[in-house]
Amino acid sequence: KQEVTQIPAALSVPEGENLVLNCSFTDSAIYNLQWFRQDPGKGLTSLLLIQSSQREQTSGRLNASLDKSSGRSTLYIAASQPGDSATYLCAGRNTGGFKTIFGAGTRLFVKA
Amino acid sequence: DVKVTQSSRYLVKRTGEKVFLECVQDMDHENMFWYRQDPGLGLRLIYFSYDVKMKEKGDIPEGYSVSREKKERFSLILESASTNQTSMYLCASRQRDRGRTYNEQFFGPGTRLTVL
Repeated sequence: KQEVTQIPAALSVPEGENLVLNCSFTDSAIYNLQWFRQDPGKGLTSLLLIQSSQREQTSGRLNASLDKSSGRSTLYIAASQPGDSATYLCAGRNTGGFKTIFGAGTRLFVKA
Repeated sequence: DVKVTQSSRYLVKRTGEKVFLECVQDMDHENMFWYRQDPGLGLRLIYFSYDVKMKEKGDIPEGYSVSREKKERFSLILESASTNQTSMYLCASRQRDRGRTYNEQFFGPGTRLTVL
């Protein structure tokens, strides 16, 4: 059974810092991994999707990587800004499965 | 851009009422989902629809039903609302998988339901 874990649960950094959010999964049968952002009381916004055949994806200041052999994905945020403050969730799908398994999220606070 | 809309941002209902939550997507996606999100429990899948009139139970279907009569619309129904169904409800859609490409999921803004 696939389990997705995000550590730490919360993170506070000063503005301008580069940071890495971590996501671990237990089953290497993961077929793709998606990173989302969620603002308080709002829905999830898709940030990046990595297929299992890819190792990383980039969008602006965001870079996500996927390493199936180690069971890890990371979301790198460059030059963090207060507007980046939100909860970041990772979610994976296994080969042949329709379900997406979500991590509990990392709550990020970027101090001005 | 994909747009997923939900009929209400906030909803307050009484115990025992029948509640309808509506979700509409504008990108012709085959797959649609209903989740609920609770503090400490994360996102849990209630129901999934892979096409019109097709549905699959998720992890917590008890107390809920769904309807998918048109491709763009997926409704979640609480037949008799209870206080333990107070939650944030999130709808999502996704294009069906094609070959070895698994597509990304897009979410609506959520409906905060309170059952008194």
